[in-house]
Amino acid sequence: DVKVTQSSRYLVKRTGEKVFLECVQDMDHENMFWYRQDPGLGLRLIYFSYDVKMKEKGDIPEGYSVSREKKERFSLILESASTNQTSMYLCASSLGRYNEQFFGPGTRLTVL
Amino acid sequence: GENVEQHPSTLSVQEGDSAVIKCTYSDSASNYFPWYKQELGKRPQLIIDIRSNVGEKKDQRIAVTLNKTAKHFSLHITETQPEDSAVYFCAARSNNAGNMLTFGGGTRLMVKP
Repeated sequence: DVKVTQSSRYLVKRTGEKVFLECVQDMDHENMFWYRQDPGLGLRLIYFSYDVKMKEKGDIPEGYSVSREKKERFSLILESASTNQTSMYLCASSLGRYNEQFFGPGTRLTVL
Repeated sequence: GENVEQHPSTLSVQEGDSAVIKCTYSDSASNYFPWYKQELGKRPQLIIDIRSNVGEKKDQRIAVTLNKTAKHFSLHITETQPEDSAVYFCAARSNNAGNMLTFGGGTRLMVKP
């Protein structure tokens, strides 16, 4: 079974803090994705990566950056957290661009 | 880019009834349409998908239909059970959007016993 894990289920941070969200997959998948999930808005793509050290902007990249130094790990970084970044963050991975995406359990981030 | 709209946002049915969730998409180049189910507190999981070269696909109690001309697709669940209660997301993938998935806003389905 594909396993996608995220470093925290719940996280509370203060405005202006730097926040790191980590995602690890154990199936040697090429592609990894970060989404944020908000009620009524579905899942919106923040960034994705097709390979190590490669990244592409999704639909809502503003205020975020990513890092993929190793194939199995994809990090989402909030350089200076703001209250409007309070959300559920979901990581996903897929073998190839056209394959099923497998999701992690999510990190519920609250920025105070 | 692609835009996917999903309706209704909430749906309540009696156990045993059918449920239908509808999605429309904007990009005629979209060619793959998955449906994900997210139970409360859990991760989204793929339950069924359809490609643009077919009009319907079934898997036991769930089916998906696609109308490419009208640019809409639907999820049908028959003989609903309480364990079908979840949030369902449709999505579309377009060559014009880097083959990324664009998701609908989700439908919260509640099946009353």
